Amino acid sequence: EPEVTQTPSHQVTQMGQEVILRCVPISNHLYFYWYRQILGQKVEFLVSFYNNEISEKSEIFDDQFSVERPDGSNFTLKIRSTKLEDSAMYFCASSPGAGGYTFGSGTRLTVV
Amino acid sequence: GQQLNQSPQSMFIQEGEDVSMNCTSSSIFNTWLWYKQDPGEGPVLLIALYKAGELTSNGRLTAQFGITRKDSFLNISASIPSDVGIYFCAGHMNNAGNMLTFGGGTRLMVKP
Repeated sequence: EPEVTQTPSHQVTQMGQEVILRCVPISNHLYFYWYRQILGQKVEFLVSFYNNEISEKSEIFDDQFSVERPDGSNFTLKIRSTKLEDSAMYFCASSPGAGGYTFGSGTRLTVV
Repeated sequence: GQQLNQSPQSMFIQEGEDVSMNCTSSSIFNTWLWYKQDPGEGPVLLIALYKAGELTSNGRLTAQFGITRKDSFLNISASIPSDVGIYFCAGHMNNAGNMLTFGGGTRLMVKP
């Protein structure tokens, strides 16, 4: 079964450092997303990406965050200057259209 | 933002018992999805519902899309130990970005 692949599985970074989280969505999917889940809390939407541009973003997705699809297969989330409160699981997802989401296994980001 | 109220927050049941959990919202959703999340993993889709009143089964799981489009329930029959995990409802509103709104989750614990 096709999978969404995320790397790394765990990233530890110092406060103020930049991090890039990487994702390989399912190849024939058109929509790409990033969600995050703070430990013990619900999954929260960050951003959706379609046709090489951001189609929607939440209040969480401020100027410190950016997304990119640098080539035909990768989809990245960059946090420019990490804060302690950015510590969370970050999930990439993709879908062919409305619904039909597939989530990756996540990257656990720990900011120290 | 949109809110999904999921209940109960947690359940501790005996193996073999049936389980029911639900989500309600003040907003109308066009798609309801039910996910299961195991520790350290991403959400895995269990059931997707696309029409008001739709009742769909997946093995021992049954979910329904409420007639008002503001609620959904998930039933698990004859629970087994591997049903342990966190179950999330999620709603989709056919907006521009295809974002999902997640409920707070139901933590299910099954005693063998």
